[in-house]
Amino acid sequence: GIQVEQSPPDLILQEGANSTLRCNFSDSVNNLQWFHQNPWGQLINLFYIPSGTKQNGRLSATTVATERYSLLYISSSQTTDSGVYFCAVDQAGTALIFGKGTTLSVSS
Amino acid sequence: NAGVTQTPKFRVLKTGQSMTLLCAQDMNHEYMYWYRQDPGMGLRLIHYSVGEGTTAKGEVPDGYNVSRLKKQNFLLGLESAAPSQTSVYFCASSYSTSGGHEQYFGPGTRLTVT
Repeated sequence: GIQVEQSPPDLILQEGANSTLRCNFSDSVNNLQWFHQNPWGQLINLFYIPSGTKQNGRLSATTVATERYSLLYISSSQTTDSGVYFCAVDQAGTALIFGKGTTLSVSS
Repeated sequence: NAGVTQTPKFRVLKTGQSMTLLCAQDMNHEYMYWYRQDPGMGLRLIHYSVGEGTTAKGEVPDGYNVSRLKKQNFLLGLESAAPSQTSVYFCASSYSTSGGHEQYFGPGTRLTVT
């Protein structure tokens, strides 16, 4: 089956710093989503981005489908950005296959 | 518009007991899913449904059953709970797009089996 690898596994930042999270996948996909799981366990949809670039406030994402990777950019990080960021892909229009996540800790 | 809701939020079971988790969505989505999340890992698919009256197995279906009697509801059952089923359970739903299907998740149910 398709493999999803996220890097780095852990990231520690000072408030105000920028960061880039990467997601590599091993086969072509119909769907790619980025999620933020906050410290309370809630999964928040960040981007639905099978290809191209999207921006939402301080966050942006780019997926290069032909090269099988996606990047999530976080600018001017805040303590509320802390949590786990998941990339998930879908090949056949059914199940999302999740990576293991990047744990982000932002300190003030 | 409540989105995807799950009942209950927390539950503790003893080994061998049974229970049903309820997922409801008010977005008129065709597709619904049940995932489990174990510590330090991403989510894994248990079962899913592509429409009312249909269900299919996912990656980790053993020990679980599901039913989709109404379009807006998707039930996950544990007939005889085991400690290995201690996990956080997430329900999701999605509509059909021209490509894949953006999935929206509920708040989760934390289940402990002792």
